[in-house]
Amino acid sequence: AQSVTQLDSQVPVFEEAPVELRCNYSSSVSVYLFWYVQYPNQGLQLLLKYLSGSTLVESINGFEAEFNKSQTSFHLRKPSVHISDTAEYFCAVRLESSGSRLTFGEGTQLTVNP
Amino acid sequence: KAGVTQTPRYLIKTRGQQVTLSCSPISGHRSVSWYQQTPGQGLQFLFEYFSETQRNKGNFPGRFSGRQFSNSRSEMNVSTLELGDSALYLCASSKGGAYNEQFFGPGTRLTVL
Repeated sequence: AQSVTQLDSQVPVFEEAPVELRCNYSSSVSVYLFWYVQYPNQGLQLLLKYLSGSTLVESINGFEAEFNKSQTSFHLRKPSVHISDTAEYFCAVRLESSGSRLTFGEGTQLTVNP
Repeated sequence: KAGVTQTPRYLIKTRGQQVTLSCSPISGHRSVSWYQQTPGQGLQFLFEYFSETQRNKGNFPGRFSGRQFSNSRSEMNVSTLELGDSALYLCASSKGGAYNEQFFGPGTRLTVL
């Protein structure tokens, strides 16, 4: 069975500082990888995904993540955060054979302070 | 294009009652998945329906059930409610392929008293 570990439950940073949210997964088969963001009282929004091809994927709002197969990691980074990036971030994996089923990590609360 | 809608948004029930939650997927999407989100257990997969058939099921007791209609709308039912069923229930829809993105609804907040 696959599992996802987000290594930090809370990450406080100052505005304009860089940030890295860490995600490791375990699976005996190939997986697809995702980062979702959840703002208070809302559902989940897809931030970015790795399906195949280039191991570095980027979102439209400045986040990027790199798939590292040897380290089974998919860390999320942003070089300069804004107050509006304050939210909870979830890493998730999906098996090719499991339809749409996602397995989520525990989540990382990112708080950006002025 | 309208997003995924869930009704009701908030619900309060008492122990022992049953509840039905509804999810309307994005037009053209044939897959609907349900997740339970709690502070203690995080996001857990309940089940997925694709073209009216349950395609995947998580590790929840039989009190949790679901169905999907021919228009792809889905309902989930929880019978004999327990305090621990208090959670945010999220529905997600997609076209159903492994490469397809899942779009989440805003969720139904269920409180069991």
